[in-house]
Amino acid sequence: DIQMTQSPSSLSASVGDRVTITCRASQDIGNDLGWYQQKPGKAPKRLIYAAFNLQSGVPSRFSGSGSGTEFTLTISSLQPEDFATYYCLQHNNYPRTFGQGTKVEIK
Amino acid sequence: QVQLVESGGGVVQPGRSLRLSCAASGFTFSGYAMHWVRQAPGKGLEWVAVISYDGSLKKYADSVQGRFAISRDNSKNTLSLQMNSLRPDDTAVYYCARDPNTVPDCWGQGTLVTVSS
Repeated sequence: DIQMTQSPSSLSASVGDRVTITCRASQDIGNDLGWYQQKPGKAPKRLIYAAFNLQSGVPSRFSGSGSGTEFTLTISSLQPEDFATYYCLQHNNYPRTFGQGTKVEIK
Repeated sequence: QVQLVESGGGVVQPGRSLRLSCAASGFTFSGYAMHWVRQAPGKGLEWVAVISYDGSLKKYADSVQGRFAISRDNSKNTLSLQMNSLRPDDTAVYYCARDPNTVPDCWGQGTLVTVSS
């Protein structure tokens, strides 16, 4: 199975900060990775697919980068509505595997 | 617009069975693979199962292999998950999600399954 190691598990940041979240895959997955945002009591919302493609309707302050085994989700200027938990997901192989999640909290 | 609506969750005793459904609308259901993903209370997301667009391919997480069965009825735009021999650690919100050949793009609101005596 492909293991996805996501870091950090949580972070505190202020509105306007630049935030970076990383996912590392246990083997090469090419660009087969997506990023999700989840708010309490809600379903996950896709932000990024194929490592760097922005989902339609998602603000451009969100961006994805990386390939192979290391991937990054960046929020260029954190907004109040961005406080949530973020997950990566690989779709290179089965079983599909998620990162453990990163909770972004208000400093 | 695309809509996925799960149903069938509830409280069930350990060892019993439950069947979840996901009603799809707003898109050509028969053209997409579909997933089930779950989330235990306060925990992260866990992939459960996938079925191909025509039902010919099914894959499962090791944690549910042999106990859960995914199926679909393209004539009724419905996805199902038959869950047998339920255990307390199967307690979770279960989501269905559409697969556009990348990571799932659209998710339902989820249905809560609680396994408890």
